[in-house]
Amino acid sequence: EDQVTQSPEALRLQEGESSSLNCSYTVSGLRGLFWYRQDPGKGPEFLFTLYSAGEEKEKERLKATLTKKESFLHITAPKPEDSATYLCAATPGSARQLTFGSGTQLTVLP
Amino acid sequence: NAGVTQTPKFRVLKTGQSMTLLCAQDMNHEYMYWYRQDPGMGLRLIHYSVGEGTTAKGEVPDGYNVSRLKKQNFLLGLESAAPSQTSVYFCASSYLQGDEKLFFGSGTQLSVL
Repeated sequence: EDQVTQSPEALRLQEGESSSLNCSYTVSGLRGLFWYRQDPGKGPEFLFTLYSAGEEKEKERLKATLTKKESFLHITAPKPEDSATYLCAATPGSARQLTFGSGTQLTVLP
Repeated sequence: NAGVTQTPKFRVLKTGQSMTLLCAQDMNHEYMYWYRQDPGMGLRLIHYSVGEGTTAKGEVPDGYNVSRLKKQNFLLGLESAAPSQTSVYFCASSYLQGDEKLFFGSGTQLSVL
């Protein structure tokens, strides 16, 4: 069974305190690994897609990386506006639908 | 550019009542999806459509029906609502299926009493 597991469930950081969010996946023949950001009361918003192990993508203070078993979302010197829930999703090779993790709720304190 | 629009934003139903959620997208996307989001469980796919006039079952289709009569609209119906269907429902669309990013609506909070 395809599974995507995110950790931790919640993370509180001080402004400027860098950290990483983890997404481990067990899907057969990964086609793509996606990161989304979700603000309270809103729908998820696309951040990154990663397709192969070793690939990295960056956007402002965020950098996503991918290995054969997991993906990390690194947050460098976060600001309060980075507070949100970050969702990870994977598309297995046998199916073309995304499997989502349950998310990491990030709070950045000023 | 509106993107993906969902109506209504909130709804309260009594057990056994029926309702329809409407999703409209203005990006000319072929693929549209309905998800539900529950605490601690992530987003789960209910039904999806790969084009006008086509629909398919996702991971949790029981108790729901869908229709895609026009390319820009995707309707989700609950014929006889149950408390287990209390959730936040999200519509999404994409240009490509599985390989492309999804564009989500802002969600519908549904409570079934």
